[in-house]
Amino acid sequence: DTAVSQTPKYLVTQMGNDKSIKCEQNLGHDTMYWYKQDSKKFLKIMFSYNNKELIINETVPNRFSPKSPDKAHLNLHINSLELGDSAVYFCASSHRTERNTEAFFGQGTRLTVV
Amino acid sequence: GDSVTQMEGPVTLSEEAFLTINCTYTATGYPSLFWYVQYPGEGLQLLLKATKADDKGSNKGFEATYRKETTSFHLEKGSVQVSDSAVYFCALSDGAAGNKLTFGGGTRVLVKP
Repeated sequence: DTAVSQTPKYLVTQMGNDKSIKCEQNLGHDTMYWYKQDSKKFLKIMFSYNNKELIINETVPNRFSPKSPDKAHLNLHINSLELGDSAVYFCASSHRTERNTEAFFGQGTRLTVV
Repeated sequence: GDSVTQMEGPVTLSEEAFLTINCTYTATGYPSLFWYVQYPGEGLQLLLKATKADDKGSNKGFEATYRKETTSFHLEKGSVQVSDSAVYFCALSDGAAGNKLTFGGGTRVLVKP
């Protein structure tokens, strides 16, 4: 009965590879997000989707491409992985229709590029 | 743009000590303010929130009051436990940008027995 679940939890891969991280929420929320947490624990928004529509796209390399097949799922595909992509990636969801509601986070995916 | 500044850690305390983590913000409009906590190896959990000026959020013995005049949302707990050891994040959401959260840099708290 996990609210926001993302897979895998750990991902170790070589430079140049392509990888995907999957996220699903069962809270009935209409908005989902990807956040990146760097090695110093700093968190920054990457993308946000509302009802499958991209509404936030921060300054993120084109190698990162989010995909939302429906409002309960938001996947993140990363092409040509670089060492600097190593981080923890968090998926989150919330109700956009409720102003300033809190977001619920997944457990994170620790990506290590070697 | 929006920004959140919180005190750098680590903060090391003894059990039953008083904890304060300072947080100040810059935002257009009237943001909501949040404290999230990240326990080792886990994701972020909402600790408390306040949606308008003078609101006080509270949970698990933690409190924070939304101070518009000082643009602050300091986190306090009167008597910490070892289990409170975690990284604490102050965050704001201005509602206009898809409810995205803008986070402070996080403060690591270590409580020793």
